[in-house]
Amino acid sequence: NAGVTQTPKFQVLKTGQSMTLQCAQDMNHEYMSWYRQDPGMGLRLIHYSVGAGITDQGEVPNGYNVSRSTTEDFPLRLLSAAPSQTSVYFCASNPDGTVYEQYFGPGTRLTVT
Amino acid sequence: GNSVTQMEGPVTLSEEAFLTINCTYTATGYPSLFWYVQYPGEGLQLLLKATKADDKGSNKGFEATYRKETTSFHLEKGSVQVSDSAVYFCALSGYTGNQFYFGTGTSLTVIP
Repeated sequence: NAGVTQTPKFQVLKTGQSMTLQCAQDMNHEYMSWYRQDPGMGLRLIHYSVGAGITDQGEVPNGYNVSRSTTEDFPLRLLSAAPSQTSVYFCASNPDGTVYEQYFGPGTRLTVT
Repeated sequence: GNSVTQMEGPVTLSEEAFLTINCTYTATGYPSLFWYVQYPGEGLQLLLKATKADDKGSNKGFEATYRKETTSFHLEKGSVQVSDSAVYFCALSGYTGNQFYFGTGTSLTVIP
């Protein structure tokens, strides 16, 4: 199993550009999440999904969209990039929303100039 | 609401020193508790977990006990190694949707 994969690994955008961060998992996990990691702030939840076709907002959803058309994929879309979205983005999956741990991807480092 | 507070870093220790990283939480009900480790340039990996009060999670010489009475889940290791240098995150799982709550992370550097 590849686990959780993310692409790209690095990305530089100009303010106002849009892009999609890809996330896929091959563990047949129902639950998937997107986090951003900023210095001194830990991980903050952007959006999450409890199954195909079901998504919900986390703590910091503004400026981001998600969809979940398949169990495997959970892309994160930046609609109009802003410098405040410069961060490291992690995708995670888990089989259950409570007891089981999350499995993290390697991250995407995004810089918005 | 749910939240996790962990001790500020950075922490610098000499090899073979004793490590404690404090973590306290606020939660409704009985959440599961986790410690994750992040090595430079990588994603988070599960280090250990505990799913109910008085459980002790352990892995790679690290331990943490789920203390409901003090709402704590402190991470300990008796003798750290240079290879333990990383950022450590305490986390809890909530009861709605897929809500995990993370602390801000504690950076540990172990010097030879």
